Amino acid sequence: DSGVTQTPKHLITATGQRVTLRCSPRSGDLSVYWYQQSLDQGLQFLIHYYNGEERAKGNILERFSAQQFPDLHSELNLSSLELGDSALYFCASSVGAGGRHNEQFFGPGTRLTVL
Amino acid sequence: GQNIDQPTEMTATEGAIVQINCTYQTSGFNGLFWYQQHAGEAPTFLSYNVLDGLEEKGRFSSFLSRSKGYSYLLLKELQMKDSASYLCAVRVGSNYQLIWGAGTKLIIKP
Repeated sequence: DSGVTQTPKHLITATGQRVTLRCSPRSGDLSVYWYQQSLDQGLQFLIHYYNGEERAKGNILERFSAQQFPDLHSELNLSSLELGDSALYFCASSVGAGGRHNEQFFGPGTRLTVL
Repeated sequence: GQNIDQPTEMTATEGAIVQINCTYQTSGFNGLFWYQQHAGEAPTFLSYNVLDGLEEKGRFSSFLSRSKGYSYLLLKELQMKDSASYLCAVRVGSNYQLIWGAGTKLIIKP
């Protein structure tokens, strides 16, 4: 158990719909990262928040948005869903935004299925 | 551009040794991570290298050559539970973003 929690574990929805994925980082971690992993694919970095502020954006579609709240939990919003959005969505957290080590700890993921 | 290359799949025998290579071409370098990921599960941290040389941690070791843009993960005394994907990731840039390789699927045979 990494200490990072994600809800829900599974989500099944239809094309065109909107969903919200939630992540709570490890206690004391200020950074939250969101990743998408399609079947048998590598991790695609979506976005990084540090202490409530957006720090970096990866290959995140305009239909997707995220935010980090004052209590440091984060939400990833996916809208106008398409079949290709079906994937595992991971949240990870780390203590800071950089530093010598600063490994990322991953949550169990949310499996999104768009029908 | 940013690029990380790993073999797609490797097969090894239980009890043996396997070396998984990772080469990278990135703009900036602030460290290299190896993660293990079992199918359908979250990646878990294995090792971190920022200076050239070998880092040993039990059955797993990781090597880095910054001048060659090259790293490897060495797994000794392989066990069936080591069957997983192994992800190489390089930290770059002022925001310390991680660039991820596609992962190497390691299959362990009895």
